[in-house]
Amino acid sequence: DTEVTQTPKHLVMGMTNKKSLKCEQHMGHRAMYWYKQKAKKPPELMFVYSYEKLSINESVPSRFSPECPNSSLLNLHLHALQPEDSALYLCASSQEGSNQPQHFGDGTRLSIL
Amino acid sequence: AQSVTQLGSHVSVSEGALVLLRCNYSSSVPPYLFWYVQYPNQGLQLLLKYTSAATLVKGINGFEAEFKKSETSFHLTKPSAHMSDAAEYFCAVSDIAGGYQKVTFGTGTKLQVIP
Repeated sequence: DTEVTQTPKHLVMGMTNKKSLKCEQHMGHRAMYWYKQKAKKPPELMFVYSYEKLSINESVPSRFSPECPNSSLLNLHLHALQPEDSALYLCASSQEGSNQPQHFGDGTRLSIL
Repeated sequence: AQSVTQLGSHVSVSEGALVLLRCNYSSSVPPYLFWYVQYPNQGLQLLLKYTSAATLVKGINGFEAEFKKSETSFHLTKPSAHMSDAAEYFCAVSDIAGGYQKVTFGTGTKLQVIP
């Protein structure tokens, strides 16, 4: 059982659609992350939230819009995506500190038609 | 900048044989190192972590890793492979950069277990 829950597990959308990915954790972690993972590649960091504030945006296109409504929830709003955005989107959370492991959800498999 | 290198994108072992997955790190300071496993259609699961308390680290599912500063290595081993060990394995190094935790993953090693 993963302690980070992501919904939906699968999402198919057209390039003109608007959709949102959701992530929830109840471990009291104050840092939350969005990663993008293409097939046979390691995860690539997209966004970092620390204490509900956006700390890092790794030069992600504006068609991806993150939101952290509270310390347990993390959303990723999607609009006007491109076919190359098809990937597994992973959410993770951790306690503060570089010696703390990140806990990952099972991801949302996104396909852009 | 810290980095990790995983030697071998694919490793095949027979069931019951020793598993050895290689990871070398590059860091100017004592690193925090992790091994994660990813099963198909799942997220990453922490196997073990090195945080300088002990050089031999035991993890879940019978895996362990030894930190060797002289070789800048953190190889993952398991004495006897099970079919259920077939998965993708990522070595990772963690640092604080710009006030946040930055994790750099290796390119991954896919482990195949042959019956």
